[in-house]
Amino acid sequence: DAGITQSPRHKVTETGTPVTLRCHQTENHRYMYWYRQDPGHGLRLIHYSYGVKDTDKGEVSDGYSVSRSKTEDFLLTLESATSSQTSVYFCAISDRGILAPATDTQYFGPGTRLTVL
Amino acid sequence: QKEVEQNSGPLSVPEGAIASLNCTYSDRVSQSFFWYRQYSGKSPELIMSIYSNGDKEDGRFTAQLNKASQYVSLLIRDSQPSDSATYLCAVTFRNSGYSTLTFGKGTMLLVSP
Repeated sequence: DAGITQSPRHKVTETGTPVTLRCHQTENHRYMYWYRQDPGHGLRLIHYSYGVKDTDKGEVSDGYSVSRSKTEDFLLTLESATSSQTSVYFCAISDRGILAPATDTQYFGPGTRLTVL
Repeated sequence: QKEVEQNSGPLSVPEGAIASLNCTYSDRVSQSFFWYRQYSGKSPELIMSIYSNGDKEDGRFTAQLNKASQYVSLLIRDSQPSDSATYLCAVTFRNSGYSTLTFGKGTMLLVSP
């Protein structure tokens, strides 16, 4: 998994509780991404980061926030989890996102399965 | 709206046959195109990337790109049961100056022995 770990790998929580998912990389890649994957919707981008403390919204960012204080860590927070946020969450990394867009290959972590009851 | 379309399948082929997976996209300025394979319960893994029109071959896999038709395909020769998986097409789109990937919903491939 290209030196990418995600924690926790599985989590069950209750509606209204805060949840933080962590993505950790050892590749020193500049760009990091959070996706969610749901049946019938495929992979959808939540937020991405193009450097330490530099983040932007993706397609489905409502209800999610992110932080990146170090190159190697990208955190995804659900401030108040809802059942609609039950999903599998994937983190991805890439080495180029703008300077050489023709080579912005993304590599994925193992995923976190989140269930919100 | 940025869209990547794939037939959901399943596409069923016998072992040893050629599997053909197709993908269309909506943004004419897209520059990078990727095929990922995803086994059930696992994360997507990169199979092929292609950036210019034409064919690109890597072992049993061939990616084909036609930017004028906004079409990209993946051919798998000599299909094996281990190729049974969902194949995701991904295309770059510009987003606030940065390139992000948009994925199709995937095509499930079933290779029968």
